[in-house]
This record gives sequence, C-alpha cells and structure tokens, in this order.
Amino acid sequence: NAGVTQTPKFQVLKTGQSMTLQCAQDMNHNSMYWYRQDPGMGLRLIYYSASEGTTDKGEVPNGYNVSRLNKREFSLRLESAAPSQTSVYFCASSNWTEYQPQHFGDGTRLSIL
Amino acid sequence: AQSVTQLDSQVPVFEEAPVELRCNYSSSVSVYLFWYVQYPNQGLQLLLKYLSGSTLVKGINGFEAEFNKSQTSFHLRKPSVHISDTAEYFCAVSTAGGTSYGKLTFGQGTILTVHP
Repeated sequence: NAGVTQTPKFQVLKTGQSMTLQCAQDMNHNSMYWYRQDPGMGLRLIYYSASEGTTDKGEVPNGYNVSRLNKREFSLRLESAAPSQTSVYFCASSNWTEYQPQHFGDGTRLSIL
Repeated sequence: AQSVTQLDSQVPVFEEAPVELRCNYSSSVSVYLFWYVQYPNQGLQLLLKYLSGSTLVKGINGFEAEFNKSQTSFHLRKPSVHISDTAEYFCAVSTAGGTSYGKLTFGQGTILTVHP
C-alpha cells in the first residue's frame, strides 16, 4: 500500500547541476502536483498535471520543468540548480473531479551548494 | 485568486489542555477547505476537510473544525491534546468548480508544541 512514492529522499547538488525528482502513485489518480516547502511559507505549487497528457504552471514554476510520463508518474526537473531552489519537494496526487483530497509523498530534501 | 492566513506561527500548550489553531481565507468564489498535519520528516496527512453541508467537520485523532462563511474562517480545535499531537499544521483551500483542478493554496503553517 505505497500511495505516493518519491525518489530520492535526499540529494545534495552543486550550483548549475541538473537533476530529476521522481514521483509515482499507485492509487489510479488522475491529477498530480509538485510543491515546494520552505520555512514560514507553507507549501507552494510549482506545476501540476490535471490529467495524463497535460501539465500546467503553478505559483512558482521558474527554474523547473515537468513531465507526466504516464498516469502513474510525474517527474520534476531542475535544469540548472540554484541555491534558491534548496527546499523540500513534495509530490501529491488526487482525483479532484471526485472531490478527493490530495495524498502526499514523504518528500525529497534537496540542498544546492 | 485565493489566499490563506494562519494567524499563529507557533502555539505552545500543555498536555490535556484544549487548543485552537486559527485559519482565515480569502476567495471570491466558493471554496473547499482542508487541514493537514505534518510530523517531523514526513509528508502531509489529511486531518479533515469541508466540502459542503454541516459547518462542523470532524476529523481524525479527535480534531474538529468549523467553517464560518461570514468570517471566512476555518479554525481547528481539539478539546484535549496529547504529546503525540506535536506537529506542524497546515490549512489549505481549493476553489470549487471545474477550473480549479484541485490545486491547493496553503497557509504558512502553525507549529503546535504540546508540553508535559
């Protein structure tokens, strides 16, 4: 009963490096979301995918790209990491059309030096 | 666009005392409201949600919240807290309707610390 699985759990990067954060859900949800969490700021939406084959920007999309690989998987890519992107990243999924709340993964803690 | 304000960044309380965590929201359209809890180094877990109907919503672990449309508030309460309730609590809002796509706007979070 995995729910939402994020990999890796921890990562340290140097400025300018690239990496992809992976997210997979096994609940057959249509919609998936990427958030970042910073102290005192709550969670802010980076990108979302309302359904397979669609993606759209959230509140803070600059510096990120996403791919909805299939119904289960939604990845977040940092093309050229910057210290300002040091954060905890959460993936979530839901069937929003059925008024279901979002289920969250355990997060990826990313530090950029 | 909607916004959420959690009025207290930290709330210390003694074990078995009652607690209220305050949340106000702003939106020009109808909303759905949620409270999530985050334990250290974990993801967010849903405590309770308000979609429609009764304004008093009961959730897990003895928590409840009341939706007040006139005051645009959704305060979280528990009559008697336990040490294990120590965590960060987030209020979140989603606009009702077909174009929201379930996107959530979160408050800044309230750290609840329960002392023995």
